[in-house]
Amino acid sequence: NAGVTQTPKFRILKIGQSMTLQCTQDMNHNYMYWYRQDPGMGLKLIYYSVGAGITDKGEVPNGYNVSRSTTEDFPLRLELAAPSQTSVYFCASSYQGEDIGELFFGEGSRLTVL
Amino acid sequence: KNQVEQSPQSLIILEGKNCTLQCNYTVSPFSNLRWYKQDTGRGPVSLTIMTFSENTKSNGRYTATLDADTKQSSLHITASQLSDSASYICVVRTFYGNNRLAFGKGNQVVVIP
Repeated sequence: NAGVTQTPKFRILKIGQSMTLQCTQDMNHNYMYWYRQDPGMGLKLIYYSVGAGITDKGEVPNGYNVSRSTTEDFPLRLELAAPSQTSVYFCASSYQGEDIGELFFGEGSRLTVL
Repeated sequence: KNQVEQSPQSLIILEGKNCTLQCNYTVSPFSNLRWYKQDTGRGPVSLTIMTFSENTKSNGRYTATLDADTKQSSLHITASQLSDSASYICVVRTFYGNNRLAFGKGNQVVVIP
């Protein structure tokens, strides 16, 4: 099993551009999450999904959108990129939900907005 | 105010030595606490989970403790190895709300030969 796979690993955007961070998992987990990690800060939840077709906002959703059309995929869309979105983004999945189950993280996507 | 505070923020230890990382939390009501290890440039990986009734749990050279009364947890690394160089993140779960996990900022450990 590959686990959680994120692409791209690195990306530089100009202010106002848009892009999609891809995330796919092959563990048949229902629960998927997007976090951002800023230097010296704890992980912040952006969006999460409890199953295909169901998504909900986390702690810091502004400037982002998600979709969950399949169990495997959970892409994160950045519209009109801003310097404040410079961060490392982690996709994660879990079997039983974050409240019980272990989170399995991808390798991360480092995004820089200039 | 962060609900999970970790100390020390960073430390350097000699290979073979022991170290202890602290996690204090204010999350209430408490459900469980996990320690994750995050290698540089990688995603976090779970080391252990502590539930309300557990005081101590070991995973190889890692031993976690929990005092739910004082809301403190520690992660002890025994006979450190170079591969222990990483950030160790304390994550506390509560029962309610959409965002039920509170993440600490991590303890950055550097093991030197």
